[in-house]
Amino acid sequence: NAGVTQTPKFRILKIGQSMTLQCTQDMNHNYMYWYRQDPGMGLKLIYYSVGAGITDKGEVPNGYNVSRSTTEDFPLRLELAAPSQTSVYFCASSYSRRDEAFFGQGTRLTVV
Amino acid sequence: DQQVKQNSPSLSVQEGRISILNCDYTNSMFDYFLWYKKYPAEGPTFLISISSIKDKNEDGRFTVFLNKSAKHLSLHIVPSQPGDSAVYFCAASSNNDMRFGAGTRLTVKP
Repeated sequence: NAGVTQTPKFRILKIGQSMTLQCTQDMNHNYMYWYRQDPGMGLKLIYYSVGAGITDKGEVPNGYNVSRSTTEDFPLRLELAAPSQTSVYFCASSYSRRDEAFFGQGTRLTVV
Repeated sequence: DQQVKQNSPSLSVQEGRISILNCDYTNSMFDYFLWYKKYPAEGPTFLISISSIKDKNEDGRFTVFLNKSAKHLSLHIVPSQPGDSAVYFCAASSNNDMRFGAGTRLTVKP
């Protein structure tokens, strides 16, 4: 019962570096999401996908890119890391946009 | 724009008493509401939900109440237990959107 698996759990990046946050789900969900959580704030949607090959922007997409080549995988790419991207990132999946989402354990990213 | 608001950042209650967590929303298109619970260093996990056609949904110690006219929902935990200590997020959804509140940190004291 893996559910949603995110890697890595922690990462420190220097300004201007790039990285990919990996996300895999084994529940055959069509919907997948990337959220970020800043201290004292709720979850903000970065990007989401309604199925393989289809992605769309959320509330805070700037500085990020995604792809969805398979149902299982939804990687999040940071091209030029900035201190404002220091946050905890959560990947999630769900059966539909409305239903309960299943979250990964999160990635704590620090950009210095 | 904060479409979902949890105005209490924290709440402390005694074990065995009732915990009441509140949530307000502004968008009348939201028709499905969820509560998630989050422990430190873990992702949020689904707790309970309610559709807009209902005003109450109960699951064991957890009950969610919805007041559509006031655009307000609340989560009641009775009796509260120390293991309930966590951050609780309210979420509101429609067909193509879901928004989260900022969360309320609940501490249940033994």
